[in-house]
Parts: sequence; structure tokens; C-alpha cells
Amino acid sequence: GENVEQHPSTLSVQEGDSAVIKCTYSDSASNYFPWYKQELGKRPQLIIDIRSNVGEKKDQRIAVTLNKTAKHFSLHITETQPEDSAVYFCAAPTQGGSEKLVFGKGTKLTVNP
Amino acid sequence: NAGVMQNPRHLVRRRGQEARLRCSPMKGHSHVYWYRQLPEEGLKFMVYLQKENIIDESGMPKERFSAEFPKEGPSILRIQQVVRGDSAAYFCASSPGRHGGELFFGEGSRLTVL
Repeated sequence: GENVEQHPSTLSVQEGDSAVIKCTYSDSASNYFPWYKQELGKRPQLIIDIRSNVGEKKDQRIAVTLNKTAKHFSLHITETQPEDSAVYFCAAPTQGGSEKLVFGKGTKLTVNP
Repeated sequence: NAGVMQNPRHLVRRRGQEARLRCSPMKGHSHVYWYRQLPEEGLKFMVYLQKENIIDESGMPKERFSAEFPKEGPSILRIQQVVRGDSAAYFCASSPGRHGGELFFGEGSRLTVL
């Protein structure tokens, strides 16, 4: 089955700096890589996703890059703001019929004003 | 279009009691997933269901836990004879279909076992 590793587990940056979170996955057949943001006490919400036919995708201050050869993908947040503080999860699907999403353990991002 | 609806939002049970958590997927979604989140931890897959079928229950403990998604009504996650270690947030998510797409999460049900 799929195994997703996420680093770092905690990340603290100053407002305006960039933040990068990295994930690796094990199943070379995985073809969809979402990132979810979870604020304290709230539900996880999708912030960006990428499919395996592209290498990079941007949405304003957020971007995701994918390296299929190395089996890793990264979340980049530029010009961070205090409201970016949250826990971020990467995920990848298993294959072989179930197609559930397997999540990384999360990165707690703190943006200091 | 209402999102994924979970209830109850908070549930307190004493050891040995039963907990029933309900999830109504988004309109038009036929795939339901249950995840468990322990404090300060990630989302652990429990079970994946379609209407009247359990597709993958590889994340479900072998005893005390069961799930269903009947033809009519919400999906239900049932925990019998709860223990303190069952205290967690249980999130339901739904999707419209297969082939790797976005999961839409509910607000979660937070179970506390005294």
C-alpha cells in the first residue's frame, strides 16, 4: 500500500517569509497529490492539488511541485501571513481498487507577526 | 448545496457504552470515507464505503468497530464498548467517484470517553 512521509513536523517562519513542506510517497502508480489545511478545531480543507501529468501548479501565494522520478512533492507558500498558521497535510491515493487517500502526519506551520 | 454533515459534533460516553456517529455525504456523492484523528496527529484511514457496500475496511480495528452506508439514510460508524483510547475526532469525507479526486470533509465528531 501507499506510504506518505511528510517533513518537517513543525515549521515556524516570520511573516512575509516563504514556507516549504515536503512529502514523499511510495506507490509509483499514484497520480493525484492534494494538500489540505486544517485550522485548530476545524475540518481539513483542500487548498491545492496536482495530477501526475504536470510538474508544477500555482494558485496565488501557494504552489505545489511534483517530481515523479524521485516520488516527492512539495508545498510552497510565499509571503506568509499569520492566517496561514495551521496544520498542513499532504496525501496520495492508494491504487489497486480502493483508491483511498493516505495522509502524511502533518506539518504545524506557525507564522509569527 | 450543503456540505458533508456529521452529527453529533461532540459526544461523551462512559467506558463500555456505545457510540454512533452519523455522516450524510454531499448531494450527488456516493463514496464515503471515515478517518480518525488523535490529538496532535494525522488522519488515519478507517473505512471506505459506497451505498450498501464496504469497499475497504483495512483501517478498522477488528473488534468493536463497524460501519455501514445503507441505501437510504446516512453512513454510520458504530463503536461498541468504548474505551478511553477511542477518544478522538472522527471525520467523514465524501467524493463523487473514483480515480483520485478531492475529498470533502465534514466538521468531524469529537468523541470523549470518560
